[in-house]
Amino acid sequence: DGGITQSPKYLFRKEGQNVTLSCEQNLNHDAMYWYRQDPGQGLRLIYYSQIVNDFQKGDIAEGYSVSREKKESFPLTVTSAQKNPTAFYLCASSMSGRGGEKLFFGSGTQLSVL
Amino acid sequence: AQKITQTQPGMFVQEKEAVTLDCTYDTSDQSYGLFWYKQPSSGEMIFLIYQGSYDEQNATEGRYSLNFQKARKSANLVISASQLGDSAMYFCAMREPSSGGSYIPTFGRGTSLIVHP
Repeated sequence: DGGITQSPKYLFRKEGQNVTLSCEQNLNHDAMYWYRQDPGQGLRLIYYSQIVNDFQKGDIAEGYSVSREKKESFPLTVTSAQKNPTAFYLCASSMSGRGGEKLFFGSGTQLSVL
Repeated sequence: AQKITQTQPGMFVQEKEAVTLDCTYDTSDQSYGLFWYKQPSSGEMIFLIYQGSYDEQNATEGRYSLNFQKARKSANLVISASQLGDSAMYFCAMREPSSGGSYIPTFGRGTSLIVHP
């Protein structure tokens, strides 16, 4: 079955450490997105990519980095510059990024600080 | 200013009754899309319903309908005949054109719905 796979489901970060969250899709979608979810805050956009080798910052990109070397993969790195990384991270994709397209979501990664 | 406003942090409804979850949006574009998603406690996001800005009729998907009032910039979700499994967080979202031409999805803060037996 086609879908989006996020791993790991739970991740712990030590002080000063960079960690990478994986997001893989086999839906042949061009557009991919990373959201951060905090209680009572809804989903906030970190980065998005409309095409391979291209990506743009969202509303809260500081302290995060991404790459899009392959169509099916959009990993998110939480760097040591992100001082409050504890949150639930959701990866999503859509066919081409047009206005009427729904998002398909992964099952999320819960990141906590040790 | 928030682009998507959900004013109800929490809602309670009796099983088998209907419930309306409010959503207002802010955009100056003529072309946009409105969506509702459900997030159970497991964390997955489930697409429920879509309304395009040029659609004249309200969207319906089974027990879900979207009450679209364009002049008021309102896109309320109506769930008929509530079931215990409807207990979840509900998010309203909008896709509008960005400066680069792509349609970026923006989400509200969500409404927590609890269905009582």
